[in-house]
Amino acid sequence: GEDVEQSLFLSVREGDSSVINCTYTDSSSTYLYWYKQEPGAGLQLLTYIFSNMDMKQDQRLTVLLNKKDKHLSLRIADTQTGDSAIYFCAERGGGYNKLIFGAGTRLAVHP
Amino acid sequence: ETGVTQTPRHLVMGMTNKKSLKCEQHLGHNAMYWYKQSAKKPLELMFVYSLEERVENNSVPSRFSPECPNSSHLFLHLHTLQPEDSALYLCASSQGAGGNEQFFGPGTRLTVL
Repeated sequence: GEDVEQSLFLSVREGDSSVINCTYTDSSSTYLYWYKQEPGAGLQLLTYIFSNMDMKQDQRLTVLLNKKDKHLSLRIADTQTGDSAIYFCAERGGGYNKLIFGAGTRLAVHP
Repeated sequence: ETGVTQTPRHLVMGMTNKKSLKCEQHLGHNAMYWYKQSAKKPLELMFVYSLEERVENNSVPSRFSPECPNSSHLFLHLHTLQPEDSALYLCASSQGAGGNEQFFGPGTRLTVL
């Protein structure tokens, strides 16, 4: 079946790098996504990676994909207090335009 | 500004009430979605509309009734809800089937008493 798993919490010091990990089960996934949800807001797409890539970098964000292990990670360089949010990993799974979301990782950034 | 708006932002209703959630997208997309987000479960897809036709109903109880009168508007009609239906209801839109990005609204926080 389709399943996406993430650790629930991550705490980092301001200025350090954050690494949020995700595992998924659907080996036929074509796209994998990272969304950010700030308090009281909806989800905002941060970045995505196509399954034939193993890395994508976008400013402070680096996405790594290990397709063999079905492991996806999001690295945030120089983490700031404004990065505090819940980060959702999602895969494009089966069904019509269907995204399967993980439970979300709550990132807390402290001074 | 995501281009997807939802009203109301907060709603409190009794189990016998009938209410509706509204979503509007200003992005020219042709697919719209309802998701449920609760403390107990990650995001759950409820309904998908493409070109104003429902293409997926993810085993949602009939007390939730979606309506998509045109490609810019999506409603979720609620009646006889249960307290466990209390959650954040998120609307999203995308361009076409297989579109890379779904743009989300801010959600409606629903509390059922």
